[in-house]
Amino acid sequence: SAVISQKPSRDICQRGTSLTIQCQVDSQVTMMFWYRQQPGQSLTLIATANQGSEATYESGFVIDKFPISRPNLTFSTLTVSNMSPEDSSIYLCSVEDGTGGEKLFFGSGTQLSVL
Amino acid sequence: AQSVTQLDSQVPVFEEAPVELRCNYSSSVSVYLFWYVQYPNQGLQLLLKYLSGSTLVKGINGFEAEFNKSQTSFHLRKPSVHISDTAEYFCAVRPLGFQGGKLIFGQGTELSVKP
Repeated sequence: SAVISQKPSRDICQRGTSLTIQCQVDSQVTMMFWYRQQPGQSLTLIATANQGSEATYESGFVIDKFPISRPNLTFSTLTVSNMSPEDSSIYLCSVEDGTGGEKLFFGSGTQLSVL
Repeated sequence: AQSVTQLDSQVPVFEEAPVELRCNYSSSVSVYLFWYVQYPNQGLQLLLKYLSGSTLVKGINGFEAEFNKSQTSFHLRKPSVHISDTAEYFCAVRPLGFQGGKLIFGQGTELSVKP
């Protein structure tokens, strides 16, 4: 199984600012995924981050708002830009299990509150 | 397109009582099915999964789930719950043949076990 470390675990930010969330995995993985969990709602995939290529964004999410970096096979960052209160959510990093891809491992998440 | 509906947002039960968390899905293609658990302030952890074969799937912590194709359901059960089972439970599906980590999650069910 993969161990995923996510930082920060929580933050309170002002409207209009940006926050970068870091995700570190203890093994090399091809794809890393960023999910959002809004209050009282289910998880939604934001984008898939592949090393060496541009991230692939899901419908409703754009690179200008959620730029992603993937400099190597163990690390990725997600930035939430020009934040508004509607961005208050838990953001989760995840990776596939590497043996068949059926399941995902998740980090503990970043709880973001925007004032 | 796929969708997942968890029929109960909150399920309160007493310790040692049985519990069933209900999940229905909709999909035009065959899917893999998962149950994840999220303990307070932690990431998601896989409880069990159905890929093929026997429709009764056993997972960790004494949980099991039964896949019913005709009713497109994947209900989670435990014959006797413990206080430590208090958590949020998520049902999810993944279309067969899809490359990547796009799980479609239900809205979650908050299981509260009381002494």
